[in-house]
Amino acid sequence: GDSVTQMEGPVTLSEEAFLTINCTYTATGYPSLFWYVQYPGEGLQLLLKATKADDKGSNKGFEATYRKETTSFHLEKGSVQVSDSAVYFCALTYNTNAGKSTFGDGTTLTVKP
Amino acid sequence: SAVISQKPSRDICQRGTSLTIQCQVDSQVTMMFWYRQQPGQSLTLIATANQGSEATYESGFVIDKFPISRPNLTFSTLTVSNMSPEDSSIYLCSVVRESSYNEQFFGPGTRLTVL
Repeated sequence: GDSVTQMEGPVTLSEEAFLTINCTYTATGYPSLFWYVQYPGEGLQLLLKATKADDKGSNKGFEATYRKETTSFHLEKGSVQVSDSAVYFCALTYNTNAGKSTFGDGTTLTVKP
Repeated sequence: SAVISQKPSRDICQRGTSLTIQCQVDSQVTMMFWYRQQPGQSLTLIATANQGSEATYESGFVIDKFPISRPNLTFSTLTVSNMSPEDSSIYLCSVVRESSYNEQFFGPGTRLTVL
């Protein structure tokens, strides 16, 4: 079956540091890939998405590229802020089963001033 | 986007009791989904709540334990029955907007602790 593997956390960075959170997946088909963010005490919010190979999703300074050859969708940001402290989830889903997503375990990011 | 509210936001319950969680969406949606997020773990899909028919459960989840109602296109409930401490989790409702190409919108979650 399908699965999503994220780098283990927690990750602690200083403000303005470069961020990478690794995400790899196994899939039987051709899914869309997503990054969700969960701020403390809140629900999940979509951060960015990519629907096919080589697509790059971007939002709020975060980027991730759908790499079919390496089955990866790593999240990056060039300069993190304290407000980026949250839990980040990588996920995949298929067009034919919208809403039935497979999630990674989540990576907790803490950014210190 | 979609505005989703859940009630209660949190609860502490005794073993053997049941809790019903409500999910309200600000507009009509075809499908609603219930997820569980156990402490320190990822989200796992419990079931898909279909309006006008029975919910569709994922492997490992059964209707007797997690009965679901979907009386209309904006509302659903999930009941956690005969609870045990292993049911302590965050339960999240989500919807997909047909116009949003698989983008899921999540409610704020219900944090359940079973003693």
